[in-house]
Amino acid sequence: GAGVSQSPSNKVTEKGKDVELRCDPISGHTALYWYRQSLGQGLEFLIYFQGNSAPDKSGLPSDRFSAERTGGSVSTLTIQRTQQEDSAVYLCASSLHSTGELFFGEGSRLTVL
Amino acid sequence: EDQVTQSPEALRLQEGESSSLNCSYTVSGLRGLFWYRQDPGKGPEFLFTLYSAGEEKEKERLKATLTKKESFLHITAPKPEDSATYLCAVQASPGAGSYQLTFGKGTKLSVIP
Repeated sequence: GAGVSQSPSNKVTEKGKDVELRCDPISGHTALYWYRQSLGQGLEFLIYFQGNSAPDKSGLPSDRFSAERTGGSVSTLTIQRTQQEDSAVYLCASSLHSTGELFFGEGSRLTVL
Repeated sequence: EDQVTQSPEALRLQEGESSSLNCSYTVSGLRGLFWYRQDPGKGPEFLFTLYSAGEEKEKERLKATLTKKESFLHITAPKPEDSATYLCAVQASPGAGSYQLTFGKGTKLSVIP
């Protein structure tokens, strides 16, 4: 596709369950970012991948959060033992060579009951 | 720690009424300052990159400017379709951190016909 694709677009889960969110970046983009956007809050950085370099995980809020990027392309964000405070829109973005011109997907809205 | 503060939080304008949005920032070595537009239920869309004080960029009714401490997004004769949340972000220079972007909370602009 032409843009960044995220799935699912909406996910409702029960507290304590694990969830996986997927991101398919723009072909050829070497940098991939995950951000979280809560109601009334700004975008909160979670994790950054650049090529084959070690990812910057400094934004992950707890060890329940993890992410991987396979083959330099698709990325999966996993949240284990979900809590109500994890409810938010999770946004993925990609860019060419970490230029700062990010192309965002439409996000995955997570609701934890 | 990089910080971005945007003001006002919300702005209502009559169609054709020009105004400016402010973005104040502190960063340990600026690599770039970015403006994004976000429509409800969508991911942010890139507008401008500014690299150094004194630089200006224009696109249709929007003009972005940069000083050493802040950036302004000037909106001239806005139309209802300019209604959106405008986000400002900074990226630190190499060696001062990873290539993550730090975002402000945004200014929600409403243009009334």
